[in-house]
Amino acid sequence: GESVGLHLPTLSVQEGDNSIINCAYSNSASDYFIWYKQESGKGPQFIIDIRSNMDKRQGQRVTVLLNKTVKHLSLQIAATQPGDSAVYFCAERDNQGGKLIFGQGTELSVKP
Amino acid sequence: KAGVTQTPRYLIKTRGQQVTLSCSPISGHRSVSWYQQTPGQGLQFLFEYFSETQRNKGNFPGRFSGRQFSNSRSEMNVSTLELGDSALYLCASSQQATNEKLFFGSGTQLSVL
Repeated sequence: GESVGLHLPTLSVQEGDNSIINCAYSNSASDYFIWYKQESGKGPQFIIDIRSNMDKRQGQRVTVLLNKTVKHLSLQIAATQPGDSAVYFCAERDNQGGKLIFGQGTELSVKP
Repeated sequence: KAGVTQTPRYLIKTRGQQVTLSCSPISGHRSVSWYQQTPGQGLQFLFEYFSETQRNKGNFPGRFSGRQFSNSRSEMNVSTLELGDSALYLCASSQQATNEKLFFGSGTQLSVL
């Protein structure tokens, strides 16, 4: 049958604004979460991770928030730059040390 | 420190052929995972190796196989290629077998004609 491509959610922001990328995960037993950035023609690049015993973790210009009650993860990027334009993936890992399960991705477009 | 290296970068094969992809992890990393990325399915887990042993396997047919060598380098093989196997195959490595902080290579873009 015909293959239908994933319709990636898109987020368009102005340079200098803050970006918030959201992700819903599926498994309440997941104990570890991670965000990746993928630019065209490259492999996913690690951004930041968080364990399930935390609600928030900050990195350089990025913050990850975890809400286990509603199984929601978000990535906040401060002062978004054109170089931040990419597809962003969240991934979860089940608490048995299992494989990472990736979300469908969100395409971030930064307008100069 | 060099990153994850995947070879070849691009590959064109025809249906029915087989292919072997290679991955060299970051020095000191003992865990290697493989993922298939397509526009239709996103990133799908293939398998994971740690110290030459397969720890996890995804839901792919037996045509997809892999192995890991004593120096942690890994190969994956796809036999009897189908058109639907066209994809970007990504390898990722991590220090331990916990699937934390996976570092990805740039992938091998496989086209099956």
